[in-house]
Amino acid sequence: DADVTQTPRNRITKTGKRIMLECSQTKGHDRMYWYRQDPGLGLRLIYYSFDVKDINKGEISDGYSVSRQAQAKFSLSLESAIPNQTALYFCATRGGVIPDTQYFGPGTRLTVL
Amino acid sequence: KNEVEQSPQNLTAQEGEFITINCSYSVGISALHWLQQHPGGGIVSLFMLSSGKKKHGRLIATINIQEKHSSLHITASHPRDSAVYICAVEEGNDMRFGAGTRLTVKP
Repeated sequence: DADVTQTPRNRITKTGKRIMLECSQTKGHDRMYWYRQDPGLGLRLIYYSFDVKDINKGEISDGYSVSRQAQAKFSLSLESAIPNQTALYFCATRGGVIPDTQYFGPGTRLTVL
Repeated sequence: KNEVEQSPQNLTAQEGEFITINCSYSVGISALHWLQQHPGGGIVSLFMLSSGKKKHGRLIATINIQEKHSSLHITASHPRDSAVYICAVEEGNDMRFGAGTRLTVKP
């Protein structure tokens, strides 16, 4: 089984709809991240969490919110989706006494029409 | 805000060739990462560096902190190395990514 899973893997939605992307991990890591990837721009950090009670904004948090329901679960919400949020979204985890390796989920391809 | 530049953007090589991908950044960092993104989209972490050099199999990563530059080398390249290679830098809790280098290795 994969260490980091994301659901759904693909989603097509309409402008104005509320969308939730979910991430679960079995690594036992404290640190979890949400990124988006756009062609030619590389990955950009949306939100990150170092603990269930710790949520931090990343470079591009506007239009997004997150929830850390448990150590293993980190959800990303788009309250009112817009077309320029069409992108590939990745969840990642990182852990250990000296966190180094990031473990990425398989990605969610979101299309907002 | 750190700017991360990778070169080249695209690289085509013949099987067996030695490959070098470069990454430059603009301000001081705590660590630099190299990632590999497979054609199917999955991302795998290859290295994290804060100084010197690391080697794993045919992959070698180096970093020069003074020059704000890192290189990823692939020896004896193989078609299965075809992927996008991404450089990322850490500043505190922030992570900035390069746009990636698309490598194609032909048999």
